[in-house]
Amino acid sequence: SAVISQKPSRDICQRGTSLTIQCQVDSQVTMMFWYRQQPGQSLTLIATANQGSEATYESGFVIDKFPISRPNLTFSTLTVSNMSPEDSSIYLCSVEGGSGNTIYFGEGSWLTVV
Amino acid sequence: GQNIDQPTEMTATEGAIVQINCTYQTSGFNGLFWYQQHAGEAPTFLSYNVLDGLEEKGRFSSFLSRSKGYSYLLLKELQMKDSASYLCAVSNDYKLSFGAGTTVTVRA
Repeated sequence: SAVISQKPSRDICQRGTSLTIQCQVDSQVTMMFWYRQQPGQSLTLIATANQGSEATYESGFVIDKFPISRPNLTFSTLTVSNMSPEDSSIYLCSVEGGSGNTIYFGEGSWLTVV
Repeated sequence: GQNIDQPTEMTATEGAIVQINCTYQTSGFNGLFWYQQHAGEAPTFLSYNVLDGLEEKGRFSSFLSRSKGYSYLLLKELQMKDSASYLCAVSNDYKLSFGAGTTVTVRA
């Protein structure tokens, strides 16, 4: 199984600032994704992080607000820009396990915007 | 569009069996996943079904009927540590659409 590390695990951020979340995988993976889980809700896909090209965003999410990098097959970053209290969420990195029948999540990054 | 429904809450007694149903109507389907999420933690993978039928993994089993757009997760011999939220998710090219989750409370 893939081991996924996310940093930071938790942070309290000031309104209007930006924060970059890192996701490191212990093996090369083709598919990497970023999800958001708002308080009391289920997970929603933000975007697919594509290696060597621009991320593919889901409806309701835009690059200016959530820029994503994917410089190689083991690493990705998600930036939450110009944060507001509505961005207080858990942000989760996800990877496909390589055999097509498992999708793993990182430990999540708990962000609180004040 | 994606529509994935599961019950909001279920309560069961320690040692009992609980079945969590999930129905889905989605624009694409590559498989169905179940995850367990304890409060304050990230989701952990429980099971994956891509073909019709039952997949058994210890105390947990998952069933899929693609023609009916239906799955269930069966938790047997419930333990207190099984109290958690259980998430049904449909995969379309490895992109997951989640149901709202079912909170299972196990009582002594």
